[in-house]
Amino acid sequence: DTAVSQTPKYLVTQMGNDKSIKCEQNLGHDTMYWYKQDSKKFLKIMFSYNNKELIINETVPNRFSPKSPDKAHLNLHINSLELGDSAVYFCASSPAGDGGNSPLHFGNGTRLTVT
Amino acid sequence: QQPVQSPQAVILREGEDAVINCSSSKALYSVHWYRQKHGEAPVFLMILLKGGEQKGHEKISASFNEKKQQSSLYLTASQLSYSGTYFCGTEGSNTGKLIFGQGTTLQVKP
Repeated sequence: DTAVSQTPKYLVTQMGNDKSIKCEQNLGHDTMYWYKQDSKKFLKIMFSYNNKELIINETVPNRFSPKSPDKAHLNLHINSLELGDSAVYFCASSPAGDGGNSPLHFGNGTRLTVT
Repeated sequence: QQPVQSPQAVILREGEDAVINCSSSKALYSVHWYRQKHGEAPVFLMILLKGGEQKGHEKISASFNEKKQQSSLYLTASQLSYSGTYFCGTEGSNTGKLIFGQGTTLQVKP
């Protein structure tokens, strides 16, 4: 059974479009994250939710909006896509909002290409 | 503040040892280590908390020197399966906000 699953795996779209990425975890974890990995492999945190509540919101453009309908799901909607949004987006989860004590479990990533 | 990893890349022969370092300019609460193979997700290796403990995971171990704000990952008797990019993630306080280093690419050759 996949622990953290993301869909789609690949997403190719044109500039200006709006797209969503979905994430689900079946580990029973309370905290979920979105990370962005650019072409230089730099992994940067974007958002974190603890039991549906937004707890980390990095300096991410307003075009990015996360939504957590329940603690097992965290979706990412991106408006007006730009070339610079091309990257691999990873969803992750951890057992509780206890910060550095818990390992992150990553999904397999969504490779977004904006043309 | 992003932690700095060194070296950026390492090439080893099977059976050789390697050390990857992770340094921060800020006081650290915890250090995580992950390995990412090409085209795959990062996979958790270990967490070290304040207290300078050393942890082991088969032939991979790590240390955390909170005074120096540094952690080191030790890979002994490397295997082909150790190839990948290693990331340290640091947290300055118990917030869950993990900041990753730029990664160290390790290639193990037969």
